[in-house]
Amino acid sequence: EAQVTQNPRYLITVTGKKLTVTCSQNMNHEYMSWYRQDPGLGLRQIYYSMNVEVTDKGDVPEGYKVSRKEKRNFPLILESPSPNQTSLYFCASSFHRQGAETQYFGPGTRLLVL
Amino acid sequence: AQTVTQSQPEMSVQEAETVTLSCTYDTSESNYYLFWYKQPPSRQMILVIRQEAYKQQNATENRFSVNFQKAAKSFSLKISDSQLGDTAMYFCASHTGANSKLTFGKGITLSVRP
Repeated sequence: EAQVTQNPRYLITVTGKKLTVTCSQNMNHEYMSWYRQDPGLGLRQIYYSMNVEVTDKGDVPEGYKVSRKEKRNFPLILESPSPNQTSLYFCASSFHRQGAETQYFGPGTRLLVL
Repeated sequence: AQTVTQSQPEMSVQEAETVTLSCTYDTSESNYYLFWYKQPPSRQMILVIRQEAYKQQNATENRFSVNFQKAAKSFSLKISDSQLGDTAMYFCASHTGANSKLTFGKGITLSVRP
């Protein structure tokens, strides 16, 4: 089954404790992206990657890191989480060619930073 | 920069009736794509419908159709024969080809009443 998976789905942590949220897709998509969703703000892009070893900042990159060492994986790293990073996080992927831009989303990761 | 505006935070509709969700956007791109995503209580992001800007014909997917007014930069979603399962938050989004970024509106909460 074609899908985007994220782990963990739910996470409670404390300020300053490094964490990683994994994202994996099995559709051979070149493009992958991370979004965060906050009430009243919709979804905002954190980082994106157009292919292996190619990453760039989105609209709200502060406090986050990413890497793209393999085509299928795009982990999101919070080196020192803070309470303002409490949010719902989505990973998404798509092909990067004209006419095939529909992005498919993972199930979401709900993060609470105390 | 792209912007997407959903000015109605909430709407309600009686089961079996028709409802229209509004969305306006702004972009400097000549080639772009527009999407409606549904987010039910499970929080999964589900693609409802997409529209290519270069196509004059409005997209249709079963009970879902759009009214795409390119000159007015308007992209509304019409849901016919509303069902209880349509209760969800709906997000309008625009896609730029340059970095495959999706820009989302703030979303609208739709409630379908039995």
